[in-house]
Amino acid sequence: AQTVTQSQPEMSVQEAETVTLSCTYDTSESDYYLFWYKQPPSRQMILVIRQEAYKQQNATENRFSVNFQKAAKSFSLKISDSQLGDAAMYFCAYPLQYGNKLVFGAGTILRVKS
Amino acid sequence: EAGVTQFPSHSVIEKGQTVTLRCDPISGHDNLYWYRRVMGKEIKFLLHFVKESKQDESGMPNNRFLAERTGGTYSTLKVQPAELEDSGVYFCASSPFQGRLGNSPLHFGNGTRLTVT
Repeated sequence: AQTVTQSQPEMSVQEAETVTLSCTYDTSESDYYLFWYKQPPSRQMILVIRQEAYKQQNATENRFSVNFQKAAKSFSLKISDSQLGDAAMYFCAYPLQYGNKLVFGAGTILRVKS
Repeated sequence: EAGVTQFPSHSVIEKGQTVTLRCDPISGHDNLYWYRRVMGKEIKFLLHFVKESKQDESGMPNNRFLAERTGGTYSTLKVQPAELEDSGVYFCASSPFQGRLGNSPLHFGNGTRLTVT
């Protein structure tokens, strides 16, 4: 069964510094996607970044980038120049190839200190 | 465009009572999903509508949960009777596309926090 593991329940970062959130997953598929979602307090969950497994190049969206290690089944999120608005719960997610379902990790709370 | 809207944002009920959660997807989105996050655990899939039809309800915990989407617009999720273990955050999401989710990421609502005491 496909699983997603986020081993860091909570992380803290100083404003303007860099933080990396970890995610590992398990799948037997060779072609798939991986997502990072962000949910600020009392606000909607939004997609931060998406990685396609067949692409070797790591995805980047402004200050957000991933370190995708396919062989190790690792998909970490790096946030550079952290801002107060980055404080949120971050979820790593894997969409099943069949069935239109997302499999989520347990989430990591990110706190940003000013 | 308006996003996915969920109502209420919070609900506190006693064990044995009934609660109905509502989700209004983005207009024109045929696909509507319900997910749930029990405190400290993963967000888990409950079910998927395509228009008014239930495409997949394999994640529904038991027959105390009833989801409907009459007319293929908004959806309701009723819990009757509620139990303590039903507490959590219920998320609704929508998408305009059928097919693999990787191609069309979901648009989520703010969630409804349900507390059963």
